[in-house]
Amino acid sequence: GAGVSQSPSNKVTEKGKDVELRCDPISGHTALYWYRQRLGQGLEFLIYFQGNSAPDKSGLPSDRFSAERTGESVSTLTIQRTQQEDSAVYLCASSLVERREAFFGQGTRLTVV
Amino acid sequence: ILNVEQSPQSLHVQEGDSTNFTCSFPSSNFYALHWYRWETAKSPEALFVMTLNGDEKKKGRISATLNTKEGYSYLYIKGSQPEDSATYLCARYTAGGTSYGKLTFGQGTILTVHP
Repeated sequence: GAGVSQSPSNKVTEKGKDVELRCDPISGHTALYWYRQRLGQGLEFLIYFQGNSAPDKSGLPSDRFSAERTGESVSTLTIQRTQQEDSAVYLCASSLVERREAFFGQGTRLTVV
Repeated sequence: ILNVEQSPQSLHVQEGDSTNFTCSFPSSNFYALHWYRWETAKSPEALFVMTLNGDEKKKGRISATLNTKEGYSYLYIKGSQPEDSATYLCARYTAGGTSYGKLTFGQGTILTVHP
């Protein structure tokens, strides 16, 4: 079947605007992760969804960031009032639980100008 | 160790050299350790998922070992090739409470293999 799909692949936005990033996980995967990589840095955990449990939001950098997931399907990551430091590649991954490997999407490259 | 740590941060080797790098992680409540390869302009891909102390996994010229008691894993590449150039990431899989299934990544080791 299809892999993890993210859209858009690239997004350029003006400082102060809101953006919404989308992730379609692999069908049947109960776990969904959002990470970001800023220039020259490693993978930074943002948020984790597992089934119907409360999401682990401990990585969200500020209250401008929020994410939702409908059941075990699509997730959206919303960044309000974007700042230049939000520029990064945002990666989504999904996995079956029970220690299985995560499958990553191609990422959304966000540039805030 | 409180977080997942990888060393070295970067590594330059010549084609044909063998190399290895380290992932250190909290040994308490260990559940699984993942290794991923992340090539430029692509998304990370899983190399190994390791769960048992003493685990050794191999895929072609790449192998990995795991010591859960002391909290480290080694990744080895034998006879490096230019196509091995990538960032190698390890991730600790957490179990327990709301973090069940959470993957926490290290900063990665950037490997460059020169022809």
